[in-house]
Amino acid sequence: KAGVTQTPRYLIKTRGQQVTLSCSPISGHRSVSWYQQTPGQGLQFLFEYFSETQRNKGNFPGRFSGRQFSNSRSEMNVSTLELGDSALYLCASSLEITGELFFGEGSRLTVL
Amino acid sequence: AQSVTQPDIHITVSEGASLELRCNYSYGATPYLFWYVQSPGQGLQLLLKYFSGDTLVQGIKGFEAEFKRSQSSFNLRKPSVHWSDAAEYFCAVGGIKAAGNKLTFGGGTRVLVKP
Repeated sequence: KAGVTQTPRYLIKTRGQQVTLSCSPISGHRSVSWYQQTPGQGLQFLFEYFSETQRNKGNFPGRFSGRQFSNSRSEMNVSTLELGDSALYLCASSLEITGELFFGEGSRLTVL
Repeated sequence: AQSVTQPDIHITVSEGASLELRCNYSYGATPYLFWYVQSPGQGLQLLLKYFSGDTLVQGIKGFEAEFKRSQSSFNLRKPSVHWSDAAEYFCAVGGIKAAGNKLTFGGGTRVLVKP
């Protein structure tokens, strides 16, 4: 069974640009969560989608948004990038509401 | 609000020695507790989880953890460390089912293994 796939793995953007990251969950998993990981703030919850509906949202500005498609694939978007958005963005999928998350390898975003 | 504290930022242990990583949590109800491991450049892998029942839980790679409600702790242990255990370890707490799959993570403990 394929794991969680995130694309792209690495990307470099400049301030003010926007970025879209993609996540394909494990087949059959309907919950997809996104986390931001930085050296200073650690792992922080961004949002969770379940059956195309946002179920939870973390404390991030409105520049961070996401969506989930009918096939459970998810995308997150960050608009008007700031230097502080440089981070590893991790996607995780889950079969049900158990908290047992399966993580992808992440998308490392560098903002210059 | 829920929170997780991992008091040790770095731990260095000799190969073959025992390892214990500390985790303290704050949560208003019965928590779901997890330990994840992250190798450099990789995502997080679940080591073990506690939902209810037996307070000593076994995980993968020879790890175990003990839930102590009175101390709000969920410490991770391994009797004999291998060089491949060098990684960063994260404790996490989740809520009741209605809260969905939102996890709160501790700051992590980086484990270095000496030959």
